[in-house]
Amino acid sequence: GAVVSQHPSWVICKSGTSVKIECRSLDFQATTMFWYRQFPKQSLMLMATSNEGSKATYEQGVEKDKFLINHASLTLSTLTVTSAHPEDSSFYICSARGTSGRYEQFFGPGTRLTVL
Amino acid sequence: GNSVTQMEGPVTLSEEAFLTINCTYTATGYPSLFWYVQYPGEGLQLLLKATKADDKGSNKGFEATYRKETTSFHLEKGSVQVSDSAVYFCALSVDNTDKLIFGTGTRLQVFP
Repeated sequence: GAVVSQHPSWVICKSGTSVKIECRSLDFQATTMFWYRQFPKQSLMLMATSNEGSKATYEQGVEKDKFLINHASLTLSTLTVTSAHPEDSSFYICSARGTSGRYEQFFGPGTRLTVL
Repeated sequence: GNSVTQMEGPVTLSEEAFLTINCTYTATGYPSLFWYVQYPGEGLQLLLKATKADDKGSNKGFEATYRKETTSFHLEKGSVQVSDSAVYFCALSVDNTDKLIFGTGTRLQVFP
């Protein structure tokens, strides 16, 4: 199946700094990418949907100025957590969908962010 | 609103045992239902899906039937293997959108 990678797999940063997480589709072109957040023992919550070349659509309650999403190419989307705080510590997961298979989202392995 | 509830884990079974992981949903509109599996260190993978009532999704020996009358989509497998040890997520999407709503996941541990 299609492969999606995330980098880094884990990151620790100081409060107030910004962190960038990359999501890449390795063997297909992803017209749409999704970013999720998962707290311990809770479900994945969709944060935003991005289409290549256009602005991301954020879910209600997600601060677009804090979680900057860029989908500049068909194989790369980035999530930047700006001015991170301890409450932003979480597991961030991306998924990507190509042009075929409407419901088929391919998921990355996730990035564990810890803000000290 | 739309939500998914699945049984808490972990579910611990011996190899060749029968597996059921319960999943119920609440949805407006006409949901499609999914089971995803996440093996250690890997991303979620679509295991099976059903897009309308009474449909049965199946893959790798796993099955789930879309039950509208009970708003359920329980995952079953007749004989589990150690390699089935993973976290299983039930999910839905509504009205032909890409937005997936997930349950909390159920960890399955199978021992030889």
